[in-house]
Amino acid sequence: DIQMTQSPSSLSASLGDKITITCRASQGISNYLSWYQYKPGKSPKLLIFAASSVQSGVPSRVSGSGSGTDFTLTISSLQPEDFATYYCQQTYSTPPTFGQGTKVEIK
Amino acid sequence: QLQLQESGPGLVKPSETLSLTCTVSGGSISSANYFWGWIRQPPGKGLEWVGSMYYRGNTYYSPSLKSRVSISVDTSKNQFSLKLSSVTATDTAVYHCARIVDFWSSHSDYWGPGTLVTVSS
Repeated sequence: DIQMTQSPSSLSASLGDKITITCRASQGISNYLSWYQYKPGKSPKLLIFAASSVQSGVPSRVSGSGSGTDFTLTISSLQPEDFATYYCQQTYSTPPTFGQGTKVEIK
Repeated sequence: QLQLQESGPGLVKPSETLSLTCTVSGGSISSANYFWGWIRQPPGKGLEWVGSMYYRGNTYYSPSLKSRVSISVDTSKNQFSLKLSSVTATDTAVYHCARIVDFWSSHSDYWGPGTLVTVSS
C-alpha cells in the first residue's frame, strides 16, 4: 500500500492566518491526490481533487498544489468554519489510502 | 442536494457480522459514472477505505478485509449495504458511506455523517 504522511499532525492558528498542510506519498502518485475536511459527527467534505482542482462550493481561500510525491493544502485566511481535521487521500493505486490527518485548532 | 445516511446496529458482538445500510436521497444510486463505497475510522486513528461497488453489482474490496467483507446494492430502495463478518474489537469504528466519482477507487464527493459501531460482548 502507498503510505501517505501528513505534516504537521496538528497546528494552532488564529483567524485570518494562512496555513499550509503537507502530504507526502511513499511513491509517485502523479496528481491522484484529494483533500478532505473532517468534523466529528458531520459528513466529511471534499475540498480538492486531482491535487489542485477545487470542488464546487469550496471557498476560494482553499487551494491545493503538488505532483508526484509532495502535495500541499493551503488556506489563505482562516475562518471559524475552517477549524477541523484535514486528510489527504491518494487514489493512484489500490487500495486508496489516507494520511493520518492534521488537526487545525484555534490559537 | 445528494444526501447519504448510514443505519444499523451500534453494538455488535465479537465473531458476529456487522451489517450497515446506506440510504441515498436526492439522486439515483443507478447513475452512471458513480460508485458507492464505505470508509471507516477507528477511534483515535485515521481513515481506512473498506470497499466500493457499482450499481450493476461490480464490487471492489480492500485486500486487508477482502475475506470478511461484502457490499451489495438494492436499486429499488436506492440503498447499498455493508457486511463485515467475524468482527473483533479492531473493527470498532465510525463507518461512513460515500459516493465515489468516475472509478471505483477515486475520490468521494459526498459522504454520510457516519455511524459508530462498537464491537463488544
